Amino acid sequence: DGGITQSPKYLFRKEGQNVTLSCEQNLNHDAMYWYRQDPGQGLRLIYYSQIVNDFQKGDIAEGYSVSREKKESFPLTVTSAQKNPTAFYLCASSIGAGGYGYTFGSGTRLTVV
Amino acid sequence: GENVEQHPSTLSVQEGDSAVIKCTYSDSASNYFPWYKQELGKGPQLIIDIRSNVGEKKDQRIAVTLNKTAKHFSLHITETQPEDSAVYFCAASSLYNQGGKLIFGQGTELSVKP
Repeated sequence: DGGITQSPKYLFRKEGQNVTLSCEQNLNHDAMYWYRQDPGQGLRLIYYSQIVNDFQKGDIAEGYSVSREKKESFPLTVTSAQKNPTAFYLCASSIGAGGYGYTFGSGTRLTVV
Repeated sequence: GENVEQHPSTLSVQEGDSAVIKCTYSDSASNYFPWYKQELGKGPQLIIDIRSNVGEKKDQRIAVTLNKTAKHFSLHITETQPEDSAVYFCAASSLYNQGGKLIFGQGTELSVKP
């Protein structure tokens, strides 16, 4: 079955550590996205990529980094520069322009300990 | 930039009643309006969508209406059931928006009481 897989489901980070969240899709989608979800704030866009080897900052990119070396994969690194990283992170993919066919992963809950 | 406002933030209804969630958007070039349902600990799932050349769309107990002039669209759920309890997000996008990004509303937590 085609889909989008995020791992791990739960992740704990110590202060000052970088952590990487995995996102893999087998939908043959060109575009991929990372959103952060906090209670009462909806979904805020961190980074997005329309094509391999290219990505753009979203609304809250500071303290995060991404790569898009393969069409199927769009990992997100939460760096030590992100001062408040505890949140639910959602990865999504879509066919491309227009927002059609957006499919979300099941999310990764990151907690700073 | 594009902004989507969603109301109410929480909504509680009795089983069998109807629920209505409303959204407004700022970019007049927006032409695609999906609605997502998110259950606890899961990613959002598309439940219905509408494009700007259509005023209303129905799928069993759910319907979406769009008023392009007023730049608002609404989700209607009839005969609500406890399994409808979830967080609902509206979103908007424009074909002219780089990357096909969806701009999401803040979400509505719907609670259906048996």
